[in-house]
Amino acid sequence: GAVVSQHPSRVICKSGTSVKIECRSLDFQATTMFWYRQFPKQSLMLMATSNEGSKATYEQGVEKDKFLINHASLTLSTLTVTSAHPEDSSFYICSALNRASGTVTYNEQFFGPGTRLTVL
Amino acid sequence: QKEVEQDPGPLSVPEGAIVSLNCTYSNSAFQYFMWYRQYSRKGPELLMYTYSSGNKEDGRFTAQVDKSSKYISLFIRDSQPSDSATYLCAMSAGNTGKLIFGQGTTLQVKP
Repeated sequence: GAVVSQHPSRVICKSGTSVKIECRSLDFQATTMFWYRQFPKQSLMLMATSNEGSKATYEQGVEKDKFLINHASLTLSTLTVTSAHPEDSSFYICSALNRASGTVTYNEQFFGPGTRLTVL
Repeated sequence: QKEVEQDPGPLSVPEGAIVSLNCTYSNSAFQYFMWYRQYSRKGPELLMYTYSSGNKEDGRFTAQVDKSSKYISLFIRDSQPSDSATYLCAMSAGNTGKLIFGQGTTLQVKP
């Protein structure tokens, strides 16, 4: 099956610092990746759609200058949380769309294991 | 009103029970309906997906979609302790991959 990895799995940082999270599709090419945020006992909330070679599309209410997304290759997307604050503490999950998987009408999305960010 | 509503539970059942998990939604444009399982501190994994209305069965799992009622269900037969996890429903209106998730239902299957 398709595998998506995330690095780091958890990070603790001081308020005001920036944190970069990597999302990689290990055995397939992903022209589209998604970034989600999940608070404890809450659902996954889509933050942005990352397309290889173009600017990310952000969901309403998500600050694009705070959450920088770079999809530089077909297997790597990065999310940088700039000037992190305690309220940014959350579980960040990426997913990658495998257009070679599934049917013509449905493309399966594979999720990474998540990154737990704690901002002190 | 949220686009997708799901009772967070928790739901506790004895081993071997039939489990019924449900979601309701408001957006009639949704055509793709998924169920994901998420273990603690892990990413979601796809269990089943259904296109439009109807039933789909895979082993002990059955997914049902009733678009007229905007209601989807996941049934787990002969539940096992290893089924203990959070189950998330998710929906999509098109083939873009953009998913809208329910809150997730926490299930505990007791031996």
